[in-house]
Amino acid sequence: GAVVSQHPSWVICKSGTSVKIECRSLDFQATTMFWYRQFPKQSLMLMATSNEGSKATYEQGVEKDKFLINHASLTLSTLTVTSAHPEDSSFYICSARPLGTGGFNEQFFGPGTRLTVL
Amino acid sequence: SQKIEQNSEALNIQEGKTATLTCNYTNYSPAYLQWYRQDPGRGPVFLLLIRENEKEKRKERLKVTFDTTLKQSLFHITASQPADSATYLCALDFYNQGGKLIFGQGTELSVKP
Repeated sequence: GAVVSQHPSWVICKSGTSVKIECRSLDFQATTMFWYRQFPKQSLMLMATSNEGSKATYEQGVEKDKFLINHASLTLSTLTVTSAHPEDSSFYICSARPLGTGGFNEQFFGPGTRLTVL
Repeated sequence: SQKIEQNSEALNIQEGKTATLTCNYTNYSPAYLQWYRQDPGRGPVFLLLIRENEKEKRKERLKVTFDTTLKQSLFHITASQPADSATYLCALDFYNQGGKLIFGQGTELSVKP
């Protein structure tokens, strides 16, 4: 159980185009989903926290108009990279926190999406 | 400034030995601390969580300690195996602040047969 999927697993796009990445919790409902970015040999950097039915909370320095997050249901969150540029090329990873975990912050991570912007 | 640091970028040990990884942080007050394993090109996989009022937590060959005075966590893998080779990440857990996790940069462990 507790599987999180991401789609696509990799994407190559031209500069200036928009890319949508989906994050799904397959066998549980998630009150909260998180989006991270990871550059080679670096740690995961939290970009935003997404709660179902409400606006995402972005970390300092992350442009909310560039990285659009939609959390339409308890099993799906999407990240859209708008007008992508080569510097947006990175590994994007989502995580999901199951409903009803109370004070225990167990999160399940997706396999990641490799974005390459040419 | 706030900082979270893990020891040396890479750690090489012989099979059967104990690997010890360090996670130090400054100017944070996490409620919990978590450790994850990450293989190349994959998402992190949860290993252990330790609470601020716990000194030590064990799971099979894994042991984690958490010293909130020193602001340090140690992660041990005993009887290491080549299959343990991966990058290990510590994460400061702010579950009472929306569930945010702040990750260290990771330590790449290589276990040689």
